[in-house]
Amino acid sequence: EAQVTQNPRYLITVTGKKLTVTCSQNMNHEYMSWYRQDPGLGLRQIYYSMNVEVTDKGDVPEGYKVSRKEKRNFPLILESPSPNQTSLYFCASSPGDSGNTIYFGEGSWLTVV
Amino acid sequence: AQSVTQPDIHITVSEGASLELRCNYSYGATPYLFWYVQSPGQGLQLLLKYFSGDTLVQGIKGFEAEFKRSQSSFNLRKPSVHWSDAAEYFCAVGAHYGQNFVFGPGTRLSVLP
Repeated sequence: EAQVTQNPRYLITVTGKKLTVTCSQNMNHEYMSWYRQDPGLGLRQIYYSMNVEVTDKGDVPEGYKVSRKEKRNFPLILESPSPNQTSLYFCASSPGDSGNTIYFGEGSWLTVV
Repeated sequence: AQSVTQPDIHITVSEGASLELRCNYSYGATPYLFWYVQSPGQGLQLLLKYFSGDTLVQGIKGFEAEFKRSQSSFNLRKPSVHWSDAAEYFCAVGAHYGQNFVFGPGTRLSVLP
């Protein structure tokens, strides 16, 4: 079954404690990205990756890091989380062709206290 | 810069009534347009997409959308709403999957019995 899998799905952490949200896709997609969803703002792109070792900033990259060492994985790293990063995070992947469908993971609820 | 507006934050309709959710976009090139639905606590599911050709596109769950270039709109419609359609709906526009892919703020749909 085609899937984008994120972990953890739910996390409460404290300010400043580094955390990583993993994302893995089994569709051999070239493109992956991370979004955060906040009420009234819809989804905003944090980072995206066009292929292994190729990443770029989205609209709201501050406070986040990513890496793409393997095609299937695209972890999101919060080096020093702050309360304003409390949000619902989605990982997504897509084939390389323009305009193709984006497949989303189920989301990761992150609370920073 | 590209943008997507969904003028209605929250819409309430009675079960069996017709539905239209509005979406307007601003994009410098020929857009690829999408509608996604998010049920409470769930990820995003693609309802339909428009790339080219017939401007009236059919999607899953009985939804359809019409692309009107002159109005820069891509409104979502359903002739008869079911209680299970209560969810949040997001319009999105983009050319390439990971670049310039922008979501609207979402419209929350409530369905009265």
